[in-house]
Amino acid sequence: GIQVEQSPPDLILQEGANSTLRCNFSDSVNNLQWFHQNPWGQLINLFYIPSGTKQNGRLSATTVATERYSLLYISSSQTTDSGVYFCAVPGSGSEKLVFGKGTKLTVNP
Amino acid sequence: SQTIHQWPATLVQPVGSPLSLECTVEGTSNPNLYWYRQAAGRGLQLLFYSVGIGQISSEVPQNLSASRPQDRQFILSSKKLLLSDSGFYLCAWSVQSGTPAYFGPGTRLTVT
Repeated sequence: GIQVEQSPPDLILQEGANSTLRCNFSDSVNNLQWFHQNPWGQLINLFYIPSGTKQNGRLSATTVATERYSLLYISSSQTTDSGVYFCAVPGSGSEKLVFGKGTKLTVNP
Repeated sequence: SQTIHQWPATLVQPVGSPLSLECTVEGTSNPNLYWYRQAAGRGLQLLFYSVGIGQISSEVPQNLSASRPQDRQFILSSKKLLLSDSGFYLCAWSVQSGTPAYFGPGTRLTVT
């Protein structure tokens, strides 16, 4: 089945710094989602981005489907950005989403 | 707008006891429904999904079962819990395959 790898696994930043999170996938996909899991465990939808670039405030995402990767950019990070960021793609021939193992982001004040 | 509810939020159960977790969705009809489990170490694993009432597909054979008695209700059950069933259980919905999935707040299950 399709494999999803995220890097880095852990990231520690000072408030105000910028960061780039990467998601690589092993097969072609027709959609991709980015989620933020907050400290209470809730998975918050950030982007649904099959290809191209989308922006939402300080966050933006780019998916290059032909090269099988997606990037999540966080600018001017805040302590509330802390948590785990997941990307997920459809599993081949099934309904499921296949998740990466996530990037744990810690933003210090 | 659509909302998804899960209960209970937390649960501590002894080994061998039964389990029933409930998930309901409001504001949409005939959604696809999913149960995921997140064990320690972050990875999320699909357990079951349903594309309609009474239609359940299992991704991983295990000690759990799922049912969909109503259009917007999805239940995860077990007759006898194992220690390995501990984890964070997340319900999700989507309009159809290939569209964005939205997750509920989750149930944290500890089997002692």
